[in-house]
Amino acid sequence: GQNIDQPTEMTATEGAIVQINCTYQTSGFNGLFWYQQHAGEAPTFLSYNVLDGLEEKGRFSSFLSRSKGYSYLLLKELQMKDSASYLCAVLTDDKLIFGTGTRLQVFP
Amino acid sequence: EAQVTQNPRYLITVTGKKLTVTCSQNMNHEYMSWYRQDPGLGLRQIYYSMNVEVTDKGDVPEGYKVSRKEKRNFPLILESPSPNQTSLYFCASSLGGTSLQQFFGPGTRLTVL
Repeated sequence: GQNIDQPTEMTATEGAIVQINCTYQTSGFNGLFWYQQHAGEAPTFLSYNVLDGLEEKGRFSSFLSRSKGYSYLLLKELQMKDSASYLCAVLTDDKLIFGTGTRLQVFP
Repeated sequence: EAQVTQNPRYLITVTGKKLTVTCSQNMNHEYMSWYRQDPGLGLRQIYYSMNVEVTDKGDVPEGYKVSRKEKRNFPLILESPSPNQTSLYFCASSLGGTSLQQFFGPGTRLTVL
């Protein structure tokens, strides 16, 4: 079966660092995406990892370990506008399967 | 502006009344897809299309139909809507398959009474 797990909710303080984990068990793996979704809005692309290691893009970084079926999204210097849901999605042989998302609340 | 548009954005209807949600993209993307998003279940793929006249079922296709007669348009059809199809629907497109980032439309909130 296909299974993608991420925490349901997380909280953090403005200016801090937060790590959102995602573990997956899927039939086939061709890459992992992270999307950001603000309440009531469409998901927007953050990152794509297909090889092991860390990809850095400004305040956001994403890590992948294929052998462990594990990824994380690291958000640095948190801002209030980072309050949103973060969706982990795995590309299998022919489909993109989404996790249920992690709702992040950033407090001042 | 490069974008994916959906219409309507909000719709309240009654059981059994056929409806169509339109989706259009102006980026010349080959791949288009429909998702529904429900609390606690995340985004689930309904149908997708790799190119014109090519459509395939996603994970939850029951009760839905699609067509891809033109590259830019990918309408979602509910022939006989039921209350369990009340959901938030997103259309998405990408340049070539799911290996590239998908651009999502603004969403259509559908309520079936």
